[in-house]
Amino acid sequence: QVQLQEWGPGLVEPSGTLSLTCVVSGGSISTINWWSWVRQPPGKRLEWIGEIYHTGSTNYNPSFKSRVTMSVDQSKNQVSLKLNSVTAADTAVYYCARDPGGTYMGGSFDIWGQGTMVTVSS
Amino acid sequence: DIVLTQTPLSSPVTLGQPASISCRSSQSLVHSDGNTYLSWLQQRPGQPPRLLIYKISHRVSGVPDRFSGSGAGTDFTLKISRVEAEDVAVYYCMQATHQRTFGQGTKVEIK
Repeated sequence: QVQLQEWGPGLVEPSGTLSLTCVVSGGSISTINWWSWVRQPPGKRLEWIGEIYHTGSTNYNPSFKSRVTMSVDQSKNQVSLKLNSVTAADTAVYYCARDPGGTYMGGSFDIWGQGTMVTVSS
Repeated sequence: DIVLTQTPLSSPVTLGQPASISCRSSQSLVHSDGNTYLSWLQQRPGQPPRLLIYKISHRVSGVPDRFSGSGAGTDFTLKISRVEAEDVAVYYCMQATHQRTFGQGTKVEIK
């Protein structure tokens, strides 16, 4: 059973860089899956940040494109997110999620991490 | 950007009664490959989202059959045939035809 676990600092200063890691357990990251980051500001709807394939290929939400970098470390079975120049508007629960790819369930998020709360404040 | 609009935003339902949630897209969600990548997620309080239905109407293994999805093009519906206490949650539609976007969520609660 594949499980995802996000981790990283819970507090980031304004104008700083938010850095999170998602560890994949119970399965290899090097499959046809795409790995996404999704966030949920308090009381607001879910927002897709972008996705990464195990080869390092990425697709970013244009709303974040100038500030976001995603990377993959196959040896550690994990993906990472960096979001630059953060403001209070970036305060949210950040989730990693798996898109299983392929013709069966591709285009959906079938596995989610528990999420990690990140607050942007001085 | 594709905008997904859900109605209603809140749905008080009597136990055992049906509930229906609408999701309307600002553009057709039919992909060039012929698929429609519209899914439904359930988020219980304090929990991450959980996938219920993908590609409009395909129920995920283990999801009770009281949940069903339907629709086409720009209009989609999630129905719960008989609401149970464990169904209290916020339900989101999500499209993956053009990037990824989510509806604003519909809260199902017991009347």
